[in-house]
Amino acid sequence: KAGVTQTPRYLIKTRGQQVTLSCSPISGHRSVSWYQQTPGQGLQFLFEYFSETQRNKGNFPGRFSGRQFSNSRSEMNVSTLELGDSALYLCASSPGQGPHEQYFGPGTRLTVT
Amino acid sequence: GEDVEQSLFLSVREGDSSVINCTYTDSSSTYLYWYKQEPGAGLQLLTYIFSNMDMKQDQRLTVLLNKKDKHLSLRIADTQTGDSAIYFCAESSDNAGNMLTFGGGTRLMVKP
Repeated sequence: KAGVTQTPRYLIKTRGQQVTLSCSPISGHRSVSWYQQTPGQGLQFLFEYFSETQRNKGNFPGRFSGRQFSNSRSEMNVSTLELGDSALYLCASSPGQGPHEQYFGPGTRLTVT
Repeated sequence: GEDVEQSLFLSVREGDSSVINCTYTDSSSTYLYWYKQEPGAGLQLLTYIFSNMDMKQDQRLTVLLNKKDKHLSLRIADTQTGDSAIYFCAESSDNAGNMLTFGGGTRLMVKP
C-alpha cells in the first residue's frame, strides 16, 4: 500500500507570492490533516479535512487555507507569503472520523526569501 | 490550550535501554502516540496506545501510560545507533477529530 505522498518536496518562493502544496493520502483514508513544523514553534496543527469538509482549524491567519477533493487528495494554499512561513509542511492521513493512527508524508520544505 | 511536554535531550550507549518521557494535560485524550523523525524526513508512526490501556509492547518498544499522572513513556530496548532521531509524543481527543497536539520532541543520541 503506498504511503502518503506530498508534492513538491522542496519550494523556494519570494515574499508576497502565494504557494499551493498537495497531499495524496493513503488509499481508503478519508481524513487529511496539515501541520507546520518550525524550529521555534515545533509542530503546529493547521487544519483537518474529512469528506471534503474542514473539521478543525488551528490558530493560523486566514492566509492559510485548504481544500479536499472527492478522491480525498488535499491541497493547502498560503497567500502573501512572509519570511516566517518558511517551514516543513507535513500532511497526515487517517482512516476515519474519530481519533485514529495517523500516517505522515515526507513533507514539503518551503523556503521564503 | 492543551499542553504536551517532553525533555529535550537523551543520550544512551548502544545496547542500553532508552526511556523517553512525556506529560500531557488534556484529560480527554483518547489516543497517545509516539513518532520518530530522522533528519530531513517526515514523521514515522512508531506506536500508539488507547487511553484505557496501561501498557503496549511492540517488539523493542514498550509504551507505559499512567493516566492518573498524565504521564506517557516510551522504552526502547537494546538501543541501536539507527535509533538516533527526534521522538515526538502526541495526543488526540474525541472532541478534536484527528487533530494531534505534539510535544516539543526529545532528541535521542545513541553512542557506539
